[in-house]
Order: sequence, then structure tokens, then C-alpha cells
Amino acid sequence: AQSVAQPEDQVNVAEGNPLTVKCTYSVSGNPYLFWYVQYPNRGLQFLLKYITGDNLVKGSYGFEAEFNKSQTSFHLKKPSALVSDSALYFCAVRDMGAAGNKLTFGGGTRVLVKP
Amino acid sequence: DAGVTQSPTHLIKTRGQQVTLRCSPKSGHDTVSWYQQALGQGPQFIFQYYEEEERQRGNFPDRFSGHQFPNYSSELNVNALLLGDSALYLCASSLVGSGGETDTQYFGPGTRLTVL
Repeated sequence: AQSVAQPEDQVNVAEGNPLTVKCTYSVSGNPYLFWYVQYPNRGLQFLLKYITGDNLVKGSYGFEAEFNKSQTSFHLKKPSALVSDSALYFCAVRDMGAAGNKLTFGGGTRVLVKP
Repeated sequence: DAGVTQSPTHLIKTRGQQVTLRCSPKSGHDTVSWYQQALGQGPQFIFQYYEEEERQRGNFPDRFSGHQFPNYSSELNVNALLLGDSALYLCASSLVGSGGETDTQYFGPGTRLTVL
């Protein structure tokens, strides 16, 4: 079965500094990977996905993610963090073993951007 | 373009009761998935509906059931509620085309269920 791990419960960064949120995955076959963000009392908002192609994926709100097959990682990055980026971030992998596009999520990483 | 909508926003029930949650998919989408997000955890997949049938199911008991209507909207039903069913219930929609699958799932704002 596929799985994702987010090793950091919380990431603290100063506004204007680079932001990285880590994700590693375990799948059989080629992975379909996603990042979502969740603001308080809200649903999940799609940021970006990796299906195939370039290892650097660009997404919404200035976020990007780097796919690394050898390290089985899909880290989310933003060159210059904003206070408004403070939220809960989830990495997810799509189930490729059966009909349907079920997502398996990591436990989430809380990002706190300080002014 | 309307996004995914869910109702109600909040719900309070007591143990043993039954609850029905509703979801309308994003315009143009035909597949609806339901997830349970307990406090402090990532969402857990409950099941997915396509063409009015359950296509995929996660590790949830039969107390959790669902339905999809011809207009692609969906309901999640939970019977014999337990305290542990308290969570944010998220609906997500996507498009399964005849030529393959559009993988991105778009989520609604969720329904917060509290079981007392």
C-alpha cells in the first residue's frame, strides 16, 4: 500500500525567508503526488501536483515542489514566505492500484511564518 | 464557476443517532469522494462514488454509507454514531473522462460533526 510521511509537525520561518515543507513517499510504480493547504476551519485547497515530466513543479501562490525519485521525496518550497502562508500543509499520493483516484494523506505540517 | 459545496456547516448529534451530510461537486465533475479528518490528523478516505455506484472504499465500517444522485451530488450517511465519529467530513470532486482520469480532487469546506 502507498503511504506518505511528513517528518515535521511544525515549521517556523521568518517572513521573507525560504520555506520548505518535507514529504517522503512509498509507492509501487510511478507516483502521483499532490500538495494541499488547509486554513483554519476550511477545507483543503489544491496547490500543485506531480504526474510525470519535469521534476520541478510550479503551483499556486508562488509554491513549487521538487520531485526526487532516488530519495522518494516531494518537498514543497517557496522562495520567500509570507505571513499569510501560515497554515496546515498536506502531502498526498494517489492510489494507483485500483479503480478510482483515492488519496492517501500525510499527517500534515503546520507552517508558522513570523513577521 | 461554483466550487464544491457541502451542507450543513456544523452538526451536533448524540451517540446512537444517524446523520446525513450532503455534497455538490464542482461544475463539470462527475466523481465524489468523502474523507474524514479527525482533529490534528490528515484526511482519511471513506469512499468514492462514480456513476451512482461506490467505486472505491477505505477502511471504514458499514455504518458509513453513501449515495450519488444522477446530478452527481452525493450524501454520506453515518448510522449508530459513536463519540469517535466526531470529525471534519470533507467532500472532494474530480472528473473521470472517457479517455482517462483527471486526478486532481477539489475539496469543499467540510462539515464539522460533533457527537456528544
